[in-house]
Amino acid sequence: DVKVTQSSRYLVKRTGEKVFLECVQDMDHENMFWYRQDPGLGLRLIYFSYDVKMKEKGDIPEGYSVSREKKERFSLILESASTNQTSMYLCASSFAGRGHSGEEQYFGPGTRLTVT
Amino acid sequence: GQSLEQPSEVTAVEGAIVQINCTYQTSGFYGLSWYQQHDGGAPTFLSYNALDGLEETGRFSSFLSRSDSYGYLLLQELQMKDSASYFCAVRASYSGNTPLVFGKGTRLSVIA
Repeated sequence: DVKVTQSSRYLVKRTGEKVFLECVQDMDHENMFWYRQDPGLGLRLIYFSYDVKMKEKGDIPEGYSVSREKKERFSLILESASTNQTSMYLCASSFAGRGHSGEEQYFGPGTRLTVT
Repeated sequence: GQSLEQPSEVTAVEGAIVQINCTYQTSGFYGLSWYQQHDGGAPTFLSYNALDGLEETGRFSSFLSRSDSYGYLLLQELQMKDSASYFCAVRASYSGNTPLVFGKGTRLSVIA
């Protein structure tokens, strides 16, 4: 079974702190993604990566950065956490292929981040 | 820009059939996917349509009409465990590196 794991299920941080969210996948997927999910807003893409050391901005990259030093690991960094970054953060991975195998994204369990 | 529209909430009776619609406006189109997410859980993949027509997987079916920029997810013989949020998602490009664009989700409540 494909497994995507995230470093924490729940996290509480203070405003201004630097926050690291880690994501690891074990299926040798090329693509990895970071989303945030807020009620009524669905899944919004923050950043994605289609290869080691490659990154692309998603729809809402402001206030975030990412790092992908190894194929299996994709980190989301909040340089200076703010209260409007309180949210559920979901990591996902997928193959880069086309067709069915490239469509299925596997999601981690999510990290609920609260910034106070 | 790219946008997907789906109803925010749907309620249906156990044992019945429910259809969740999705219309999309994207700069390109390669395929339509559906994901299910239970409260507190991660989204999980349900189905994928690249061509017009109906794809069936057990109690769930998904339909696509590329000319109408429209698709739907059909759930039959509803069970209480089908209560969840359902998201449609579009891949706008043929490239396998293009991320999915998700709709805002439809919350399905199955009642007895």
